[in-house]
Amino acid sequence: KAGVTQTPRYLIKTRGQQVTLSCSPISGHRSVSWYQQTPGQGLQFLFEYFSETQRNKGNFPGRFSGRQFSNSRSEMNVSTLELGDSALYLCASSLAAGGLQETQYFGPGTRLLVL
Amino acid sequence: KNQVEQSPQSLIILEGKNCTLQCNYTVSPFSNLRWYKQDTGRGPVSLTIMTFSENTKSNGRYTATLDADTKQSSLHITASQLSDSASYICVVPNAGGTSYGKLTFGQGTILTVHP
Repeated sequence: KAGVTQTPRYLIKTRGQQVTLSCSPISGHRSVSWYQQTPGQGLQFLFEYFSETQRNKGNFPGRFSGRQFSNSRSEMNVSTLELGDSALYLCASSLAAGGLQETQYFGPGTRLLVL
Repeated sequence: KNQVEQSPQSLIILEGKNCTLQCNYTVSPFSNLRWYKQDTGRGPVSLTIMTFSENTKSNGRYTATLDADTKQSSLHITASQLSDSASYICVVPNAGGTSYGKLTFGQGTILTVHP
């Protein structure tokens, strides 16, 4: 069974631009979560989607948005990029609606560099 | 405030040696504690999930312990290998929520195994 895939793997943008990242969960998984990872802040939760509905959102500005499609694939968008948005963006999938004892499976991440 | 503190921040050991990583948490209410391994440039991979009633859980050369009274967990790596070089992240969900938005991440311990 294929793992979580994320595209693109690497991205370079300039300040003010916008970016869309894509995540395909493991087949059969319906829950997708997004995280931002930086050396200074570590892993921080962005959003969680289940059955095309956003179930939870982290403490990020409105420039960060996401959505989930009927096939469980998810996208996140960052508008008006800032230098501080440079990070590794990780997507994780799990079978159901975020049961606390469920295992999340992470993708390899998209490394975004904002110049 | 829910917090997860890991120590040491970094650790260098020789191949074949054992080591122990520590995690202290103040997340409440408590449901479970997870240890993840993250190789450089890749997404985290789950090593163990420990519930309130479990004191010890092993996964190959990795053994996690949990003391729910003192709110401490440790990850012991036996007979280290070069491939153990990675960041080890302790994660505690807040059982007051039911989704991944309630995850609290530690900053991780960077382990380097030298030949």
